[in-house]
Amino acid sequence: DTAVSQTPKYLVTQMGNDKSIKCEQNLGHDTMYWYKQDSKKFLKIMFSYNNKELIINETVPNRFSPKSPDKAHLNLHINSLELGDSAVYFCASSDRGKSYEQYFGPGTRLTVT
Amino acid sequence: KQEVTQIPAALSVPEGENLVLNCSFTDSAIYNLQWFRQDPGKGLTSLLLIQSSQREQTSGRLNASLDKSSGRSTLYIAASQPGDSATYLCAVANQAGTALIFGKGTTLSVSS
Repeated sequence: DTAVSQTPKYLVTQMGNDKSIKCEQNLGHDTMYWYKQDSKKFLKIMFSYNNKELIINETVPNRFSPKSPDKAHLNLHINSLELGDSAVYFCASSDRGKSYEQYFGPGTRLTVT
Repeated sequence: KQEVTQIPAALSVPEGENLVLNCSFTDSAIYNLQWFRQDPGKGLTSLLLIQSSQREQTSGRLNASLDKSSGRSTLYIAASQPGDSATYLCAVANQAGTALIFGKGTTLSVSS
């Protein structure tokens, strides 16, 4: 009964490939997020979705495209992967009715070779 | 643009000590502030959330305070234990509550 889950946990791929990371939350939250943690462990917001609508897009390259098929899912698709995309990507969710306290998934470690 | 700073970057203490982690932020227009714990190779665990109208929150041996006007928060850990060793992250939510801005964390090591 994991609250926020991500797949895959590890992803190793070559430059130029396209890949997707999936996120699901079973908390009934109305807002979902993608964060990137770089090699120096610094976490930065990428996208924020509320009720399937994009509300924040923080200067992320167009190669990154989030997709929210429903309130419980937020997937991240990355085109033409570059070495600099190597990082840990975290999905999170929150709810306005619960003070927007954010709950994080376990992360997906992406390595681009 | 909101910036979050955590001091110190690293801290080593013997078991049993009480300790304080500091967090400061540049824009007082926040929705809330969260403290997280991150173990190596793991995700983030929410420890405490303080709403912008609150001054402090407590959970077990943890106490977090918030002084929004001065842009400061502290996380107090009482009677530290080796199991407390982890990186502690402070994050403030933007005014809409729809994004967290993180500090770079304080890495805590508690020796037995």
